[in-house]
Amino acid sequence: GDSVTQMEGPVTLSEEAFLTINCTYTATGYPSLFWYVQYPGEGLQLLLKATKADDKGSNKGFEATYRKETTSFHLEKGSVQVSDSAVYFCALSAYGNKLVFGAGTILRVKS
Amino acid sequence: EAGVAQSPRYKIIEKRQSVAFWCNPISGHATLYWYQQILGQGPKLLIQFQNNGVVDDSQLPKDRFSAERLKGVDSTLKIQPAKLEDSAVYLCASSMDRGHTGELFFGEGSRLTVL
Repeated sequence: GDSVTQMEGPVTLSEEAFLTINCTYTATGYPSLFWYVQYPGEGLQLLLKATKADDKGSNKGFEATYRKETTSFHLEKGSVQVSDSAVYFCALSAYGNKLVFGAGTILRVKS
Repeated sequence: EAGVAQSPRYKIIEKRQSVAFWCNPISGHATLYWYQQILGQGPKLLIQFQNNGVVDDSQLPKDRFSAERLKGVDSTLKIQPAKLEDSAVYLCASSMDRGHTGELFFGEGSRLTVL
């Protein structure tokens, strides 16, 4: 079945460091790919998405490129801030079916 | 714009007891979802409603879980009887469209502890 694998956390970085959170997927067909974020005490919210191969989703300085050849959708940010501390979830949706989430990666940014 | 509202935020019960969670989606959102998030795992879809009809309940343990969405607005998720493995956060989400190419809006969740 469809599945998403994320790098395990927690990931701890200093402010202004470069961030990469790896995400790979297994799916039939051509899924849409998403990154959701959960800040402390808040609900999950969509960070960015890409719906076809080679698309790049971007938001709030975060980027992720849909790589069909490597079945990956890695999340990157050039310079993290303390306010980026959160749990990040990679997810996919194939043929408009239900969202399948990865296990989540905790990011901690130190000042 | 008001977000997705859920209650209660926290609930502690003993096994074999029952519990109910309530969700009020964003106004105008036709699709409503209940997810279960066990500690250390990603959310797993339990049931999806389109208006007041069920679209997908393939992962709902129907021997103990039930959900309804009367009048296509609010929804209630019930567990009876609860088991220890039901300890989790129950997330409600809503969206404007049926498919998952659009954005889901999540509530803060209801945390259930079964003792």
